[in-house]
Amino acid sequence: ETGVTQSPTHLIKTRGQQVTLRCSSQSGHNTVSWYQQALGQGPQFIFQYYREEENGRGNFPPRFSGLQFPNYSSELNVNALELDDSALYLCASSLIKGAGVNTEAFFGQGTRLTVV
Amino acid sequence: QQQVKQSPQSLIVQKGGISIINCAYENTAFDYFPWYQQFPGKGPALLIAIRPDVSEKKEGRFTISFNKSAKQFSLHIMDSQPGDSATYFCAASKSGSGNTGKLIFGQGTTLQVKP
Repeated sequence: ETGVTQSPTHLIKTRGQQVTLRCSSQSGHNTVSWYQQALGQGPQFIFQYYREEENGRGNFPPRFSGLQFPNYSSELNVNALELDDSALYLCASSLIKGAGVNTEAFFGQGTRLTVV
Repeated sequence: QQQVKQSPQSLIVQKGGISIINCAYENTAFDYFPWYQQFPGKGPALLIAIRPDVSEKKEGRFTISFNKSAKQFSLHIMDSQPGDSATYFCAASKSGSGNTGKLIFGQGTTLQVKP
């Protein structure tokens, strides 16, 4: 177990709705990265949050947004859901120590989102 | 644009054999190369990682071989066991703030180890 927890584990939403996914980072970590994993594919980087600000973003539209809280936990919000948003959403936590030193990233179990 | 290519897509190995999975990357700015193992319904678990200042890293039965000039790296699983049956992903990232969390993944290799 990595100590990274995600909620909920499964979720079914209707096209056009909005969804919020949550992630608690591992103790001692200050950075959360979010990924989308479609069935049979490798995870794709959505964005990363550090010090409550976005610290890098992948090729995802603005309807994918996030937050990081003072306790380093994070939320992923997706607006105007599309059928192609159906995927496993993963968060990974790590520690940025400064001066370019970063610890390895550890993943949570994921949230399985189904859009119908 | 796919920046990390992984092969084979699937692999069947007998118990006790050696499993070899290969990855190739395009961006010479990449300087962190981890391997993750994923079981169905679970998140990826970090197995082992390497940086380009070494050509090989071994942890237990898992070894990464790294060829900087060829822009290739591979995972070797020695004495493969049925419990190793899972999907394996290679990944890469560029140096910088938070780089270990900004990973570009390969497509994955499904490994089956037969008893």
